[in-house]
Amino acid sequence: GAVVSQHPSWVICKSGTSVKIECRSLDFQATTMFWYRQFPKQSLMLMATSNEGSKATYEQGVEKDKFLINHASLTLSTLTVTSAHPEDSSFYICSARDRRELNYEQYFGPGTRLTVT
Amino acid sequence: GEDVEQSLFLSVREGDSSVINCTYTDSSSTYLYWYKQEPGAGLQLLTYIFSNMDMKQDQRLTVLLNKKDKHLSLRIADTQTGDSAIYFCAETPTSGYNKLIFGAGTRLAVHP
Repeated sequence: GAVVSQHPSWVICKSGTSVKIECRSLDFQATTMFWYRQFPKQSLMLMATSNEGSKATYEQGVEKDKFLINHASLTLSTLTVTSAHPEDSSFYICSARDRRELNYEQYFGPGTRLTVT
Repeated sequence: GEDVEQSLFLSVREGDSSVINCTYTDSSSTYLYWYKQEPGAGLQLLTYIFSNMDMKQDQRLTVLLNKKDKHLSLRIADTQTGDSAIYFCAETPTSGYNKLIFGAGTRLAVHP
């Protein structure tokens, strides 16, 4: 149980285009999902907290208009990188909390590698 | 503030024990976690410990928590080549129980 998927697993896009990444909880409902960014050989940096049915909460320094987050259902959150630039190239990982669990555990997706050319 | 620190690299011989250390600054952290990340993959939760515990054992894994020193360790007994990965320590800070604050990760290399 507690499986989180991401789609696509990798994507290459041209500078100036937008790309959407999906995060799904497959066998549980998640009122809260999280989006992280990981640079090579570095830790995960929390970008935003995605709450079902409401606006996402962004961490300091993360541009809301550039990284659009939508959490329209209890099993799906999307991250759209708008007007992507090469510096947006990174590994994006989502996680989700099972609404039934009280231990704040987060289940992580396998990640999406974005390369902007 | 919220900060989690780890040593960046550890090399051990197959069959030996590995000990990965972590220090954190938020003395009111509720849960502390150890995650494993293999190359190109997401994070896998290995184990977690509630802040009112000082030890937790799960098969080859032993977690020790010293709240006074804000020090967390993960011991892997009988380390195998399949244990080679990056290990992240993480905490849930008092500023937001929904958040996870990660350390930089310790790269464990297991050699024959």
